[in-house]
Amino acid sequence: DIQLTQSPSSLSASVGDRVTITCRASQTISSYLNWYQQKPGKAPKLLIYAASSLQSGVPSRFSGSGSGTDFTLTINSLQPEDFATYYCEQSYSTPLTFGQGTNLEIK
Amino acid sequence: EVQLVESGGGLVKPGGSLRLSCAASGFTFSNAWMSWVRQAPGKGLEWVGRIKSKTDGGTTDYAAPVKGRFTISRDDSKNTLFLQMNSLKTEDTGVYYCTTVGSGIHDYWGQGTLVTVSS
Repeated sequence: DIQLTQSPSSLSASVGDRVTITCRASQTISSYLNWYQQKPGKAPKLLIYAASSLQSGVPSRFSGSGSGTDFTLTINSLQPEDFATYYCEQSYSTPLTFGQGTNLEIK
Repeated sequence: EVQLVESGGGLVKPGGSLRLSCAASGFTFSNAWMSWVRQAPGKGLEWVGRIKSKTDGGTTDYAAPVKGRFTISRDDSKNTLFLQMNSLKTEDTGVYYCTTVGSGIHDYWGQGTLVTVSS
């Protein structure tokens, strides 16, 4: 199975900050990497697919990059609604696997 | 608008069975690959399994922890996805989400249904 390791596991930031979350795969997954946002008590929401493609309706302050084994999610100019948990996921091969999550908190 | 509505969750004893349903609307269900993803209380996301569309063979894939105990099926005439869960264990406790799968991506999610396995 492909393991995904996210860092950091938690992060404190302020409104207006730029933050970066990293996801590293245990083997190459080309660009088959997706990012989801989850708020407490809610279902996850797709933000980025295929490493760098922005899902329709997602604000342009979210961006993704990377290929192979190393990927990043960047949020520019954090907004209050961005404080949530973020998960990466590989769709390269089954079993599909998720990273352990990054909890983004308000500083 | 895509809508996925899960139902069937509840409290069940270890070793018991439960059948979850996911009613889909707003898209051509018969053409869609579908998936179940779960989340234990306070934990991360875990893929449970998926079913392809009948035109793509209708086959299923499962995560190792549920293989042989869980079965995913679909009724395209009723736009409904199912998850039959047998031989339930306490570690199966969590919220179960139904998702659409577009090009391998979980693009739409239901609100989830809670399954609690406890004596």
